[in-house]
Amino acid sequence: AQTVTQSQPEMSVQEAETVTLSCTYDTSESDYYLFWYKQPPSRQMILVIRQEAYKQQNATENRFSVNFQKAAKSFSLKISDSQLGDAAMYFCAYRSQGGSEKLVFGKGTKLTVNP
Amino acid sequence: DAGVIQSPRHEVTEMGQEVTLRCKPISGHDYLFWYRQTMMRGLELLIYFNNNVPIDDSGMPEDRFSAKMPNASFSTLKIQPSEPRDSAVYFCASSFLTSGTVYNEQFFGPGTRLTVL
Repeated sequence: AQTVTQSQPEMSVQEAETVTLSCTYDTSESDYYLFWYKQPPSRQMILVIRQEAYKQQNATENRFSVNFQKAAKSFSLKISDSQLGDAAMYFCAYRSQGGSEKLVFGKGTKLTVNP
Repeated sequence: DAGVIQSPRHEVTEMGQEVTLRCKPISGHDYLFWYRQTMMRGLELLIYFNNNVPIDDSGMPEDRFSAKMPNASFSTLKIQPSEPRDSAVYFCASSFLTSGTVYNEQFFGPGTRLTVL
């Protein structure tokens, strides 16, 4: 079974600075998807960014980018120019490419943005 | 679009009572997922449906939990009898398979916070 590990329960960053959230996963599959979800205090889960394992190029979405290291099974999220609205729980998630639609989530990292 | 709609947003009940959580997926979506979020276990998939048919219910904790999807626009998650350890936030999500891809983004509802006393 696949597992996702987020080793940083909490992180903090100064407004306008850059922060990196870590995620590692364990799988025997070669094709899969990886995601970062944001959960603000409103509880709403919001997809931030996704990465297909077969793509070597790291995904980017505006201020959000990932560092995908397939061999190391590492998938970190970098937030540039942090804003107060970025404060939230961030969850890393894994999904197989074939078969199950199941998302496997990490335990999350709470990000605080200091003004 | 209104997004995924869940009701109620908050539910407080006493141990032993029946609890029913409701979900209306985004119109046109053919997958529906139920997740549970707790501090101890994080976010876990309980069950998911495709075209109203349960596909994977391996995450359903025990026989006290049941889920149904009588039609494409409505699903329920029922707990009977409820126990204090069922206290959690329950999320519903829906998705559809985008033409030309094998990927379908899951859109989450706002969740139902359940407290069992």
